[in-house]
Amino acid sequence: GAVVSQHPSWVICKSGTSVKIECRSLDFQATTMFWYRQFPKQSLMLMATSNEGSKATYEQGVEKDKFLINHASLTLSTLTVTSAHPEDSSFYICSARGGTSGPENYEQYFGPGTRLTVT
Amino acid sequence: GQSLEQPSEVTAVEGAIVQINCTYQTSGFYGLSWYQQHDGGAPTFLSYNALDGLEETGRFSSFLSRSDSYGYLLLQELQMKDSASYFCAVLMNYGGATNKLIFGTGTLLAVQP
Repeated sequence: GAVVSQHPSWVICKSGTSVKIECRSLDFQATTMFWYRQFPKQSLMLMATSNEGSKATYEQGVEKDKFLINHASLTLSTLTVTSAHPEDSSFYICSARGGTSGPENYEQYFGPGTRLTVT
Repeated sequence: GQSLEQPSEVTAVEGAIVQINCTYQTSGFYGLSWYQQHDGGAPTFLSYNALDGLEETGRFSSFLSRSDSYGYLLLQELQMKDSASYFCAVLMNYGGATNKLIFGTGTLLAVQP
């Protein structure tokens, strides 16, 4: 099956610093990548959607200047949390989809997640 | 906006059958997926229903009624390893070029011996 990796798996940073999280599709070309955030015992909340070579589309309420997303190639997307604060501590999960954008293409493959702790 | 509601917790014993319901309110609906997530892990795909009816995959089955905006996941012959969170997720498009997967509130299933 399709594999998506994330790096790092966990990170601790100080308040005010920036953190970059990488998401890679290892055995397929990801035309679309998604970033989710999950707080403990809660659901996955979609933060943004990115298509290779295009600007990311952010969900309502997500600050695009705080969560910078780059989808520079068909196998790599990065999420940078800028000027991190303790309330940004969360589990960040990326997901990737290859192929067409039609409704017949429904399966997304999820990375293992990155646990961010801001002190 | 959109909403997907699930029961927060379900408890069952090994070997039993459990049904996890999902009701949704969305526009641009394409289909309903189910994902399993063990604590601290990645969501893993279980099933997808685009049309009304029941889809069976081994011990798991999923049902969709588009007219009722309702679906459920049925787990049979429960095993301890089935203890996890289960999420319904709607594949939808709300005006952009890309279809998106929006997750429900999640159901924590505890399987007891």
